[in-house]
Amino acid sequence: AQKITQTQPGMFVQEKEAVTLDCTYDTSDPSYGLFWYKQPSSGEMIFLIYQGSYDQQNATEGRYSLNFQKARKSANLVISASQLGDSAMYFCAMREAFTTGKLIFGQGTTLQVKP
Amino acid sequence: DGGITQSPKYLFRKEGQNVTLSCEQNLNHDAMYWYRQDPGQGLRLIYYSQIVNDFQKGDIAEGYSVSREKKESFPLTVTSAQKNPTAFYLCASSIQAAVNSPLHFGNGTRLTVT
Repeated sequence: AQKITQTQPGMFVQEKEAVTLDCTYDTSDPSYGLFWYKQPSSGEMIFLIYQGSYDQQNATEGRYSLNFQKARKSANLVISASQLGDSAMYFCAMREAFTTGKLIFGQGTTLQVKP
Repeated sequence: DGGITQSPKYLFRKEGQNVTLSCEQNLNHDAMYWYRQDPGQGLRLIYYSQIVNDFQKGDIAEGYSVSREKKESFPLTVTSAQKNPTAFYLCASSIQAAVNSPLHFGNGTRLTVT
């Protein structure tokens, strides 16, 4: 069963606008962590933001924020004031306490920022 | 600078040959991981190691082998039994294998087998 689902294969956003990348997950473990990574065309994986299942507030890191809706099992990434350098592939990932060794990734969303 | 080094960046091999991908980290991280990425796809876990001299199979371990004799090193061997070895391979590490511990990645090795 797919544990991490990213339903948007590709997205476009105008420079300086905000964009939301969707992520839903499936777990029965009450303790888990959710991560977002950015992968530019060079291939490196860049860690962006983390949200713990017990965190009361949504995580924020600069222009990145995570819209965490626990009951709906969604962890959407919001990028504010998009820049051309934000064009990349974005991955949502989850780590469960049951299997802490494993970080499971979604299929990714390709974001293109238009000037 | 601390980080994860994967070498080489590009690797070409003939079908039927085993090939070993190098991964070294100087972050003093306990846990290390190998992922495979196919074009336009997400990352799939091959093997992971939470401590030295111990490792576990991930979701797609068939045709691969690893060793973890030193904390800093986690080499991956792609054997001739791997049916579709051409892919982008990413090594990663984390301070520990905990829920709140992010993975830090190397720059990857692109393996082409013909």
